[in-house]
Amino acid sequence: SQELEQSPQSLIVQEGKNLTINCTSSKTLYGLYWYKQKYGEGLIFLMMLQKGGEEKSHEKITAKLDEKKQQSSLHITASQPSHAGIYLCGADPYYGGSQGNLIFGKGTKLSVKP
Amino acid sequence: GAGVSQSPSNKVTEKGKDVELRCDPISGHTALYWYRQRLGQGLEFLIYFQGNSAPDKSGLPSDRFSAERTGESVSTLTIQRTQQEDSAVYLCASSYRVYSNQPQHFGDGTRLSIL
Repeated sequence: SQELEQSPQSLIVQEGKNLTINCTSSKTLYGLYWYKQKYGEGLIFLMMLQKGGEEKSHEKITAKLDEKKQQSSLHITASQPSHAGIYLCGADPYYGGSQGNLIFGKGTKLSVKP
Repeated sequence: GAGVSQSPSNKVTEKGKDVELRCDPISGHTALYWYRQRLGQGLEFLIYFQGNSAPDKSGLPSDRFSAERTGESVSTLTIQRTQQEDSAVYLCASSYRVYSNQPQHFGDGTRLSIL
């Protein structure tokens, strides 16, 4: 079965610093989703990547999927306290994007010190 | 509503009791999913519904867990004879439909605590 490993498990950065979170899959990623979760809240959809080499950006967050489609990275530029939370990567285990039982990593907890 | 709505937001109950969790998906979304998030763990898929098709129950951990959905509207997740290991946040998500390459949108979850 497919597994997603996220690194680091937790991260503390000073406001204004850049950071990167990684998500590595044991199998080919047919769809890779990044979500953010704050304590007591649900998951907020950030970005979806499907093609090898694909890169998407939204505000100060950039997500990339490597050419082999087994690793994704999430990069935050000039971090702000509002970026704090748990970042989760999720993957579609089936070719063609079934969007059924997404598999998730355990998350990366990000804290941003003002 | 604008987003996925779940109720109750918190539920505390005694071991052995039955609980029912409710999810109201985004209007127009035909696919609905239930996940469980235990403390320190990732999300575990439980079940999904796609329109009027038979649900995919492959993630339900035991026969104490069941879920229903009427048409393309509200879903209820029922846990019978609750055990302490059932304590978790239960998250519901919906999407336009399965096979649509559209992301799943999540509710805020129900935090279930079994005493």
